[in-house]
Amino acid sequence: QVQMVESGGGVVRPGRSLRLSCAASGFTFSSYGMHWVRQAPGKGLEWVADISYDGSKKDYADSVKGRFTISRDNSKNTLYLQMNSLRAEDTAVYYCAKDLLGLVVYVIPSYLDYWGQGTQVTVSS
Amino acid sequence: ELVLTQSPASVSLSPGERATLSCRASQNIRNFLAWYQQKPGQAPRLLIYDASSRANDIPARFSGGGFGTDFTLTISSLEPEDFAIYYCQQGSNWPPLTFGGGTKVEIK
Repeated sequence: QVQMVESGGGVVRPGRSLRLSCAASGFTFSSYGMHWVRQAPGKGLEWVADISYDGSKKDYADSVKGRFTISRDNSKNTLYLQMNSLRAEDTAVYYCAKDLLGLVVYVIPSYLDYWGQGTQVTVSS
Repeated sequence: ELVLTQSPASVSLSPGERATLSCRASQNIRNFLAWYQQKPGQAPRLLIYDASSRANDIPARFSGGGFGTDFTLTISSLEPEDFAIYYCQQGSNWPPLTFGGGTKVEIK
């Protein structure tokens, strides 16, 4: 069965860095675009970033552009999110999620059919 | 940026009742809309995509409809496990992918 397990979250001071990982199994990881979505405490869902199945296309929310970097290692079935210059407003549960449609760089429409359980990131002094 | 507006923000219903949730897009998104269910402490779960197609293992009491800018999610007869928050998401004009603010379905 499809499974995604996030790790790497924790408590970090403002301005510091953190790297999240998402280990995927149960599907052909190298065939699907992947996303990071976050949820601040008591708030709704906010899309953060995506990467195409082959890593050739990456997109970011304006709120994280220039600070966060998404990447993937298809040989390890793992997705990453490097988060630099963290701010208090980055505090959230971070989920990785898989695109419903595969083997397309520009996925339209894009829907997220499987999600990990999330990892908590807290930015606080 | 395309905005999705969900209404109502919350609704109180009894098990067995029908729930009708609304999602309005600020631009025409054809039928490129999904619905997710989220329970406390859990990740979202895809219910509906392409406005009306049920995802794998989703019960038939969940149905979606709409086209263009106005969409609905209907739960024909609420089961105890259906009390949760529901989000719509557009998959048409992105990046960014955008979600609605959510509708909380509470037990009356």
